[in-house]
Amino acid sequence: SQKIEQNSEALNIQEGKTATLTCNYTNYSPAYLQWYRQDPGRGPVFLLLIRENEKEKRKERLKVTFDTTLKQSLFHITASQPADSATYLCALGLAGGTSYGKLTFGQGTILTVHP
Amino acid sequence: GAGVSQSPRYKVAKRGQDVALRCDPISGHVSLFWYQQALGQGPEFLTYFQNEAQLDKSGLPSDRFFAERPEGSVSTLKIQRTQQEDSAVYLCASSRDRGFGNTIYFGEGSWLTVV
Repeated sequence: SQKIEQNSEALNIQEGKTATLTCNYTNYSPAYLQWYRQDPGRGPVFLLLIRENEKEKRKERLKVTFDTTLKQSLFHITASQPADSATYLCALGLAGGTSYGKLTFGQGTILTVHP
Repeated sequence: GAGVSQSPRYKVAKRGQDVALRCDPISGHVSLFWYQQALGQGPEFLTYFQNEAQLDKSGLPSDRFFAERPEGSVSTLKIQRTQQEDSAVYLCASSRDRGFGNTIYFGEGSWLTVV
């Protein structure tokens, strides 16, 4: 069956360290993968997109890798800050079909950065 | 508007009552999505519109759920004869184009509690 798993429901780290979140999937062939941030009581906010033919993407303190052989994406936040504390969601996008842009989400990882 | 707007933000419905949730997407956005998010879970796809056409309703959990976007802008998600298992956050999202890989903008969600 198809499954998306974000390892660790919760991740606690110290300010200044690098946070690494994992997203693994089975029985999908995604055309791209996105990462979102969600704060309590708010909607998800888009952070980064990486396509199947890309290995790595960076944006400021954020870095995403995408390994279609391992069926895994890693999301890194360097020099983490307490303001980075939130739930982070990975989402797979499949090419084709009638739902352009339809996403399948993981369950999320709650990141807490301690001062 | 500046972002995706949803109303009501909070709704308490008695079991068996009908509810209607409204979404105002970003002006000019072609694609509109509805997602359902249970507590502690990632969003799950419900339905997709491209302008006024509902191209995918494969995620609607039952025939009690109905969505429309008659003029290709505002959308309404209607739930008839609500059940307790319908309690969730209903997220609306829009994107500028129909192609996959576009940035998707989420609203803050409508929190539905069925008692």
